[in-house]
Amino acid sequence: AQSVTQPDIHITVSEGASLELRCNYSYGATPYLFWYVQSPGQGLQLLLKYFSGDTLVQGIKGFEAEFKRSQSSFNLRKPSVHWSDAAEYFCAVAPYSSASKIIFGSGTRLSIRP
Amino acid sequence: DAGVIQSPRHEVTEMGQEVTLRCKPISGHNSLFWYRQTMMRGLELLIYFNNNVPIDDSGMPEDRFSAKMPNASFSTLKIQPSEPRDSAVYFCASSLGEREYADTQYFGPGTRLTVL
Repeated sequence: AQSVTQPDIHITVSEGASLELRCNYSYGATPYLFWYVQSPGQGLQLLLKYFSGDTLVQGIKGFEAEFKRSQSSFNLRKPSVHWSDAAEYFCAVAPYSSASKIIFGSGTRLSIRP
Repeated sequence: DAGVIQSPRHEVTEMGQEVTLRCKPISGHNSLFWYRQTMMRGLELLIYFNNNVPIDDSGMPEDRFSAKMPNASFSTLKIQPSEPRDSAVYFCASSLGEREYADTQYFGPGTRLTVL
């Protein structure tokens, strides 16, 4: 069965420090991959997505993610976090066909230490 | 663009009552999704419409839940009768609908439902 795992429930980093949020997936083939961000009381907003091609994708707000097929991972990174990055981050996978549906990970809550 | 509009933003009701959540997708978007978010189960897809037709409703928990999309600019999610375990935040999202789940989804602000 398809699954998405975000192993870190909560991460705290200092403002200005680098960030990496982990995402691993289990899928029959390479799926579409997404990272969404959710600020408190808000809906989700797309940060970036991977379909094919260059395995390093750039997103909004200075975020990037790297697809590693051998590790079934799609980790999100940012070189220097800002206090406004404090939010919940969700990794998601979607199928190429309608044989199955989009699946979201359980989320990682990011706190920023002043 | 106003984005995806959901109403009400908050709903408090008593067990057994009917609840109707409403969604207006972004104009020009052909796909609409209803999600439920809880602490225990995370974000779950309930149903997906494309061109007003339900494509995948396998996530609808049980017969108490129903969703309709009478036209391209409006959808409802109804719970009848409601139960305390239905308490959650319900999100509506829309997308262009060109590549099913692969298109970028734009989420509404959600409806926080509390069933007492």
